[in-house]
Order: sequence, then structure tokens, then C-alpha cells
Amino acid sequence: SQQGEEDPQALSIQEGENATMNCSYKTSINNLQWYRQNSGRGLVHLILIRSNEREKHSGRLRVTLDTSKKSSSLLITASRAADTASYLCATDYNNNDMRFGAGTRLTVKP
Amino acid sequence: DAGVIQSPRHEVTEMGQEVTLRCKPISGHNSLFWYRQTMMRGLELLIYFNNNVPIDDSGMPEDRFSAKMPNASFSTLKIQPSEPRDSAVYFCASSFSGRGAETQYFGPGTRLLVL
Repeated sequence: SQQGEEDPQALSIQEGENATMNCSYKTSINNLQWYRQNSGRGLVHLILIRSNEREKHSGRLRVTLDTSKKSSSLLITASRAADTASYLCATDYNNNDMRFGAGTRLTVKP
Repeated sequence: DAGVIQSPRHEVTEMGQEVTLRCKPISGHNSLFWYRQTMMRGLELLIYFNNNVPIDDSGMPEDRFSAKMPNASFSTLKIQPSEPRDSAVYFCASSFSGRGAETQYFGPGTRLLVL
């Protein structure tokens, strides 16, 4: 499958803790994106990292990409209850032909 | 901008009926995508258009599904006849397929239930 696979499938933490989610993929990519999905709603784009980049930051989000290991990680620092959602990685193999993983369900307990 | 608009938001129909889902992409975007999401299969790309032309429809499950994009501001996904296994949330997304602008913007989805 060309889809990214997130790990873990589910993660439960306390407010204030950091959350780390991982995504692995199988073939070379142009870029990798992380999206957030609240229950029953559409996806919201969080961050895009290109194949020639190793790390990107956006607010409390930090994304890394290791093309040699074909993996990416999403770190959410100082988590909040409002961060509770599913986080999906999407791998772009052929400009706009993105494939989504099943996602990590994050629960942040207040 | 209002974002990607989908209608209806919810649809309940009986097996065998025709279902039409509608999408209005963000103005100025020239790529449009239809996805289906279920618990079992996750988010699946059904078809995507670039400049109103279908580029890849390999994800369309079978001949009962068809999609059109008659102009840059409107697309439909039709299921005829519908079956219970088509029950899912259908998302439309759009993007500007220029270099370095691959982010997709998703609509709120249409929740379809086929009885």
C-alpha cells in the first residue's frame, strides 16, 4: 500500500503533556502532510514538510521527516483538551495524489 | 471565503435509490477531490479532477459511482443504484495545484446512510 501508517492507533495523555505520533510509508514521496480531524468533521491541514526538509515548526507543532527511514513524527507540545482529535498523515507521491493513513486518535484529558 | 461547500450534509435513502452529492470548491482552486471515509477502510480517494478534467478515477468502486465537474465551481458525485455498503461520509476537497501549494482544503462532508 502507498498509504502512510500512523502509530500508535490511539494515544491518551493528560493536559500539559507532550504527544508524539508517528507515520511510516513505503515509497519515495514529494511531501508529507499532517491533518487533524475532529469527530465526524472534515480534515484540517496542519503542516506540510517537503522531502528535502528535516524539521518544521508551527506553533506547538513540530514535525520531523526522515526519508532514509521513510518516517515522520508529529509532536504536539503542552497539549490541551481541545487537541483531542484524530491526526492523519498524508503522503504525496505524485503531486496531489495524496494517500491518507488511518490516523492516530489522540485524547487529552483535562 | 466560505471554504469548500458540500450538500446535503446528511442523506438517508433506501437501497436502489439514486444519490447525488454536491460540492463547490474554493474559488480559484483548480483541483478537486472526492473521498469516502468509513471506519473499516479509512479515508479513500475516489476521484480527482484538475481543471475540470478527471485525472484519476481508479478509486471509484464500481460503475454505480460517477462524478462530473461541468465547471470550475461545481462537482457532483452520483451513486446509482445505492447499496447499504455505500454508507459512509463523503468528503470533497479542493486545492490550488500550483507548485508548492499542495494543501487540500476539505468540506464538512456528507454523511450518507443507505437503508
